[in-house]
Amino acid sequence: ETGVTQSPTHLIKTRGQQVTLRCSSQSGHNTVSWYQQALGQGPQFIFQYYREEENGRGNFPPRFSGLQFPNYSSELNVNALELDDSALYLCASSRPDSYNEQFFGPGTRLTVL
Amino acid sequence: QQQVKQSPQSLIVQKGGISIINCAYENTAFDYFPWYQQFPGKGPALLIAIRPDVSEKKEGRFTISFNKSAKQFSLHIMDSQPGDSATYFCAASSGGGADGLTFGKGTHLIIQP
Repeated sequence: ETGVTQSPTHLIKTRGQQVTLRCSSQSGHNTVSWYQQALGQGPQFIFQYYREEENGRGNFPPRFSGLQFPNYSSELNVNALELDDSALYLCASSRPDSYNEQFFGPGTRLTVL
Repeated sequence: QQQVKQSPQSLIVQKGGISIINCAYENTAFDYFPWYQQFPGKGPALLIAIRPDVSEKKEGRFTISFNKSAKQFSLHIMDSQPGDSATYFCAASSGGGADGLTFGKGTHLIIQP
């Protein structure tokens, strides 16, 4: 069974640029959630996708957006990057019968200069 | 507003000892309480989780104790080993999980040989 995978592993961007991060969910999982983890902090919920639609969102501005595809993979897009967007971005997937039980990928380390 | 408070921030335990990490929550709608283990450069890994209809759950050396009236829960690691050295996060969620997991700030655990 393949776990959650994310790409790229690391990314360096400049303030004001846009970035797209990608996630493939674990086999059999149809729900994907995205989290931002600042250094030394716990992950913070960005949003969740189910059936290709956003069905829950945390306290993040609209410049954070996402997509889910028919194969349940997902993208996180961040526009107008700010220095404070530098963080580890984590994707988590869950099964149809247990949305709370979330399994995380290794993350993408984003650095904004 | 921090909805899940975790303590201590860091913890040093001798090999073979018991590691205890505590969390307190405010939102009475929370009904799922997982613990995650995170190693440097990796995503969080689900260790064990509990729902409020039981007061204790044990899996191997890991035990969750849950006190619904006090709105507190804790992780006990028995016979702690150097390989357990990691950052541990408690989390909570409600309903179907569409609001995501709310994480504590983490506990950096060091097991001394």
